[in-house]
Amino acid sequence: AQKITQTQPGMFVQEKEAVTLDCTYDTSDPSYGLFWYKQPSSGEMIFLIYQGSYDQQNATEGRYSLNFQKARKSANLVISASQLGDSAMYFCAMRDWTGGGNKLTFGTGTQLKVEL
Amino acid sequence: SAVISQKPSRDICQRGTSLTIQCQVDSQVTMMFWYRQQPGQSLTLIATANQGSEATYESGFVIDKFPISRPNLTFSTLTVSNMSPEDSSIYLCSVAGTGDTYEQYFGPGTRLTVT
Repeated sequence: AQKITQTQPGMFVQEKEAVTLDCTYDTSDPSYGLFWYKQPSSGEMIFLIYQGSYDQQNATEGRYSLNFQKARKSANLVISASQLGDSAMYFCAMRDWTGGGNKLTFGTGTQLKVEL
Repeated sequence: SAVISQKPSRDICQRGTSLTIQCQVDSQVTMMFWYRQQPGQSLTLIATANQGSEATYESGFVIDKFPISRPNLTFSTLTVSNMSPEDSSIYLCSVAGTGDTYEQYFGPGTRLTVT
């Protein structure tokens, strides 16, 4: 069974600083995908970034980058130049190939607060 | 990316009643998913809804409690039946993208409070 672990229930960062949100995973499947989602207080889930298990380079999307260390089974999210609007809950998720590969297993999330 | 809408956005219901949540997508999709997020918790998949077939439920979720309809490729409903306060959650529908990443796009969610 797949498992996602996020060990930081809450994080604080000052505006304009970079922050790293940790995510480790466990799977026996050699092919998998890792996702990060942002959930503001409004409740919607916003897709941020994706990393495939066979991707040679770390994924980047604007201020978001994914520090993928396959041997350590970690997929940490790095947010550069934090903004007040980045304050939200962040979830790491893994795609499960069971039943066609569209099931997502989520971690418990990290609440990020950006301070002035 | 797909644009997904949900109705209602929030509701307060009495225990013992049922609520049907609608999910509408702006494009045809094969698979739709329903998730539950209990207060302060992560998301848990309830079921996968394919058009033209029975929904596939995850362990711990049953059709009698969470019946799902999928009448066409752009629409699905989830009913929360015989509600209790423990059903108070955000319910989100999602669809799989068609790109190589198969990312899932989520609707805005339905905040349900059962009193």
